[in-house]
Amino acid sequence: GAVVSQHPSWVICKSGTSVKIECRSLDFQATTMFWYRQFPKQSLMLMATSNEGSKATYEQGVEKDKFLINHASLTLSTLTVTSAHPEDSSFYICSAILRRGLSSQDTQYFGPGTRLTVL
Amino acid sequence: SQQGEEDPQALSIQEGENATMNCSYKTSINNLQWYRQNSGRGLVHLILIRSNEREKHSGRLRVTLDTSKKSSSLLITASRAADTASYFCATDAFQGTGTASKLTFGTGTRLQVTL
Repeated sequence: GAVVSQHPSWVICKSGTSVKIECRSLDFQATTMFWYRQFPKQSLMLMATSNEGSKATYEQGVEKDKFLINHASLTLSTLTVTSAHPEDSSFYICSAILRRGLSSQDTQYFGPGTRLTVL
Repeated sequence: SQQGEEDPQALSIQEGENATMNCSYKTSINNLQWYRQNSGRGLVHLILIRSNEREKHSGRLRVTLDTSKKSSSLLITASRAADTASYFCATDAFQGTGTASKLTFGTGTRLQVTL
């Protein structure tokens, strides 16, 4: 089956530092990856859509200069939380699409998530 | 917000009982999916039901979809302690040919199955 990994699985950093999270599709190519954020006991909120070779598309209310996304290859997307603050502490989850032609019935495969704690 | 609502928010049952979770959404959809999330982990895809389908089965899972009421239900039969997790519905609205689908997640139901 399609496997998506994330690295690191957890990170603790000081306020003001930047943190990079990687999302990799291990056994398939993903032209599109998504980044979600999840607060404790809440649902997933889509932050941005990452397309290989082009700029990411951010959802309303998500600061693109705060959350930098780079989709440099068909198997890797990175999310960098710049100048992190305690309110950025959250569970960040990525997903990758296993494209089946041009069908809109794409299946999203989710990574295991990265827990970010900003002190 | 286009986020769907799920109820109940939390459900506690004993092993062997059935668990039913409901999901309501707001916009027209292409399909609806159910996911499972163990505490602090990623999501596991359970089942997808298309907008032209009314019911689908997969093992102990049964999903129904009523597009006229914009609602879906997930039934887990003969529950086990290992089914303890949070369950989310997610709707997929058609974005256009060649455009990747975006999922909108419901608020989730936390299921606790006790021995």
